[in-house]
Amino acid sequence: EPEVTQTPSHQVTQMGQEVILHCVPISNHLYFYWYRQILGQKVEFLVSFYNNEISEKSEIFDDQFSVERPDGSNFTLKIRSTKLEDSAMYFCASSGGGLVKYASYNEQFFGPGTRLTVL
Amino acid sequence: GIQVEQSPPDLILQEGANSTLRCNFSDSVNNLQWFHQNPWGQLINLFYIPSGTKQNGRLSATTVATERYSLLYISSSQTTDSGVYFCAVSDKIIFGKGTRLHILP
Repeated sequence: EPEVTQTPSHQVTQMGQEVILHCVPISNHLYFYWYRQILGQKVEFLVSFYNNEISEKSEIFDDQFSVERPDGSNFTLKIRSTKLEDSAMYFCASSGGGLVKYASYNEQFFGPGTRLTVL
Repeated sequence: GIQVEQSPPDLILQEGANSTLRCNFSDSVNNLQWFHQNPWGQLINLFYIPSGTKQNGRLSATTVATERYSLLYISSSQTTDSGVYFCAVSDKIIFGKGTRLHILP
């Protein structure tokens, strides 16, 4: 069964450093998303990406964040200058077409997450 | 924006018991998904169910879109069912706060 993969599984960084989180969405999916979950809280939408551009973003997704699809398979989230409050689990998701049996076009599939710790 | 309310927030059950988790949402939605977040933090797709009823083994879900709620049923609970269950709606997926389920052996 196709799945979304994310690397690294854990990332520890110093405050002020740049981090890039990597995701490989399900092949042939057209929509890509990033979400975050601060420990013990609910999952929050950050950004959606379609046709090589951001389609929607939340107020959390400020100028410190950027996304990129550098090639046909990867989808990255960059945080330019990390803050303590950026510590969270970051989930990538994809939807729209693809090779998942019986899945609806709008059904989102989540990766296992990257746990980011900012010291 | 759309509000998503899940109840109960916490549920402790004995193994073998049945449970019903509820999700209320404040506006009409095109998408609704149920997820299980396991102890390792992974979000596992349970159901994509913007309307109607679906069943998968011991789990089933019903969404009554006109009344803006969805129910997740878990029958014959097992300890591996423990974790947090999230309801999520809309295209950019707005998550509820979840129901934390503890199944005791």
